[in-house]
Amino acid sequence: DAGITQSPRHKVTETGTPVTLRCHQTENHRYMYWYRQDPGHGLRLIHYSYGVKDTDKGEVSDGYSVSRSKTEDFLLTLESATSSQTSVYFCAISGRASGNSYNEQFFGPGTRLTVL
Amino acid sequence: DQQVKQNSPSLSVQEGRISILNCDYTNSMFDYFLWYKKYPAEGPTFLISISSIKDKNEDGRFTVFLNKSAKHLSLHIVPSQPGDSAVYFCAARTGTGANNLFFGTGTRLTVIP
Repeated sequence: DAGITQSPRHKVTETGTPVTLRCHQTENHRYMYWYRQDPGHGLRLIHYSYGVKDTDKGEVSDGYSVSRSKTEDFLLTLESATSSQTSVYFCAISGRASGNSYNEQFFGPGTRLTVL
Repeated sequence: DQQVKQNSPSLSVQEGRISILNCDYTNSMFDYFLWYKKYPAEGPTFLISISSIKDKNEDGRFTVFLNKSAKHLSLHIVPSQPGDSAVYFCAARTGTGANNLFFGTGTRLTVIP
């Protein structure tokens, strides 16, 4: 299994509070991703990173920010949590694709976030 | 708008029989397709993939078929085993450098012993 951990694994918070989720990898992979999983939507990309300090928005980025100051850590921050951000959050990592070589994404165990 | 669709939320199959999970997509720029398997309270795990230049890829009991003209792919599991009971997600990428994936909504497979 790819070395990916997420912390915390579970969190309950109140509307309006800031929340930071952490993803840590030991694989030295270049790409890191944050997804949320919701019933009826599958997994949707929030933000991704293609290197230290290099990040970009995904499909559902509103209300979220990210930071990557080290290769191994990718942080997802909800500046002011809302009930619509109650979800399961997954981090993923991927090596660099080159030529006709593609690399699958490996996922962490997930963080279940409840915003009351 | 969902670019990758899995229209069957659930599927039940007898142990030993074939399981066929289907996936449709709308974006003709997708060039690589993947299937992930997910157990409760765990992250998705990669199962099998196929490039758009192929129409079939096989790995043990798992085979993925791609029909580009129909924008359709399917995952065949033969023979199905109780341990295959999980949610299966279809995913696709457009070939950009960031390797971003678009996921379907998933199909819950139940293999009945």
